[in-house]
Amino acid sequence: AQSVTQLDSHVSVSEGTPVLLRCNYSSSYSPSLFWYVQHPNKGLQLLLKYTSAATLVKGINGFEAEFKKSETSFHLTKPSAHMSDAAEYFCVVSESGYNKLIFGAGTRLAVHP
Amino acid sequence: ETGVTQSPTHLIKTRGQQVTLRCSSQSGHNTVSWYQQALGQGPQFIFQYYREEENGRGNFPPRFSGLQFPNYSSELNVNALELDDSALYLCASRRTGTGYGYTFGSGTRLTVV
Repeated sequence: AQSVTQLDSHVSVSEGTPVLLRCNYSSSYSPSLFWYVQHPNKGLQLLLKYTSAATLVKGINGFEAEFKKSETSFHLTKPSAHMSDAAEYFCVVSESGYNKLIFGAGTRLAVHP
Repeated sequence: ETGVTQSPTHLIKTRGQQVTLRCSSQSGHNTVSWYQQALGQGPQFIFQYYREEENGRGNFPPRFSGLQFPNYSSELNVNALELDDSALYLCASRRTGTGYGYTFGSGTRLTVV
């Protein structure tokens, strides 16, 4: 069975410092992996996706993630946090064919001035 | 693209009642999924419809049912509401085929009292 573990429920950074949100996955197949962001009272927005092409995936708003099969990890990073990055972030794994999405519990990112 | 629109945005129902939530997807999005997001948790897959047929279901009882219509709209119906059904319900749709990601609506916040 597929599953996702987000290792931190809350992360707090200062504006301008790097962001690291950690995610480990479990999958019996070659997984498709995603990061979504959820701002208050907004829908889920896709940041980036990995689908067995390049292991370093670049997304929107300066975010990127690296797929490491040996570590079963898909951590999300950004070199410099912005106040507008404050939101809930979800790591997601999908069965083949982009069907059922399995979400992690989420990491709440706080960005301080 | 017009996005995915859900209605209503908020709803309060009494335990034992029935509720219908609605979703309007983008033209050409013939796959729609519904998710339940309890407070402080990641979304959980309820079911998926493709060309008006259910083709995947999560661990939810039969009192959760759905419909998909030819005009790319869909419904989630919940009978015999329970207090634990209080959650944010998210609709997500996509075109069928590799490479197409899901577009999520902003959700319907259901409160059962």
